Amino acid sequence: AQSVTQPDIHITVSEGASLELRCNYSYGATPYLFWYVQSPGQGLQLLLKYFSGDTLVQGIKGFEAEFKRSQSSFNLRKPSVHWSDAAEYFCAVGSGGYQKVTFGTGTKLQVIP
Amino acid sequence: DGGITQSPKYLFRKEGQNVTLSCEQNLNHDAMYWYRQDPGQGLRLIYYSQIVNDFQKGDIAEGYSVSREKKESFPLTVTSAQKNPTAFYLCASSPPYQETQYFGPGTRLLVL
Repeated sequence: AQSVTQPDIHITVSEGASLELRCNYSYGATPYLFWYVQSPGQGLQLLLKYFSGDTLVQGIKGFEAEFKRSQSSFNLRKPSVHWSDAAEYFCAVGSGGYQKVTFGTGTKLQVIP
Repeated sequence: DGGITQSPKYLFRKEGQNVTLSCEQNLNHDAMYWYRQDPGQGLRLIYYSQIVNDFQKGDIAEGYSVSREKKESFPLTVTSAQKNPTAFYLCASSPPYQETQYFGPGTRLLVL
């Protein structure tokens, strides 16, 4: 069965600092990987996704993620965080088609001035 | 504008009462999903539907029921058998042959 681990429940960064959110997955074949962002009381918005090809994926809002098969990781990065990036971030893994997508438990990002 | 709408934004349930959460999409997506979100637990799949008149149980289907009579609509009923219904409920849909899910704004269910 597929699974996702987000080891950091809560992260605090200063505005303008770089950000890396960790995501490790478990899946036997090539996974479909996603990062979503959720503002309080809102639905999830897709930041980026990886299906195949270039392992460095660019997303919206200046985010990027790198797929590392050897480490079973798909970490999310941003070079300079803005106060508006404060939200909860979810990593997810799927197996293709209409198969189930499994979500991690989320990492809550706090941005301080 | 295309999108997914969920209503109501807040819903209150009394003991022993069934309540229905609405989910509508005008994206022409085939697949639709219902998730439950509790603090610190991420999203857990309740039910999903790949086509009209067909749906499958997810990981936590007990105490819930769904229908899919129209492509655009996938309502979720929280029955009285669900003993701990307080949560944030999210509906999602995905295009044909794609894994990317698009989410509605959610409904928060509270028990009186």
